[in-house]
Amino acid sequence: AQSVTQLDSHVSVSEGTPVLLRCNYSSSYSPSLFWYVQHPNKGLQLLLKYTSAATLVKGINGFEAEFKKSETSFHLTKPSAHMSDAAEYFCVVGGSYIPTFGRGTSLIVHP
Amino acid sequence: EAGVAQSPRYKIIEKRQSVAFWCNPISGHATLYWYQQILGQGPKLLIQFQNNGVVDDSQLPKDRFSAERLKGVDSTLKIQPAKLEDSAVYLCASSVTGENSPLHFGNGTRLTVT
Repeated sequence: AQSVTQLDSHVSVSEGTPVLLRCNYSSSYSPSLFWYVQHPNKGLQLLLKYTSAATLVKGINGFEAEFKKSETSFHLTKPSAHMSDAAEYFCVVGGSYIPTFGRGTSLIVHP
Repeated sequence: EAGVAQSPRYKIIEKRQSVAFWCNPISGHATLYWYQQILGQGPKLLIQFQNNGVVDDSQLPKDRFSAERLKGVDSTLKIQPAKLEDSAVYLCASSVTGENSPLHFGNGTRLTVT
């Protein structure tokens, strides 16, 4: 079985400050992990993916995530938030099972 | 490449009516998914197809929901009869394979049941 927990339902930051969105996973197999972003009234867009290669994964729009097996975590970070980053972010665990979504974290960016 | 196409974009129906959603995946993508996303929640898988066969439909309410993927290309999801709690966004996604490949999503169909 597999599951994913996004530890924060909302994260609020000021423009230009760092972003940290937390994700913990559980999987019986070596997982594939993904982060998706969903802007209002839009479909989900892939930000980045981890599939057992480098543990530090770089994605689009300056986002990156680090796979830490010992902590079963895959946190998403960005050095400097932009207003356009305001959206809903989903952590997804895949691999040998069907893709399972976290509940989502809403990122709020203040000017 | 062309993305995942879904229609309609919005649908409003009364409870006990029926509704159908259509999805055309990215060309060459063997795996197709239907997800239900209720407001404020993460997407929940309803059904997964590999070509025209069903891989997983364990969370599909089969008494009212049905889905098909004839010829292993486009797919239709139907609800009959609809209930108020079916109000949600229905997302279609496709991928090259069903394991480590990322999902490509359509823009979804927002269903409101009154």
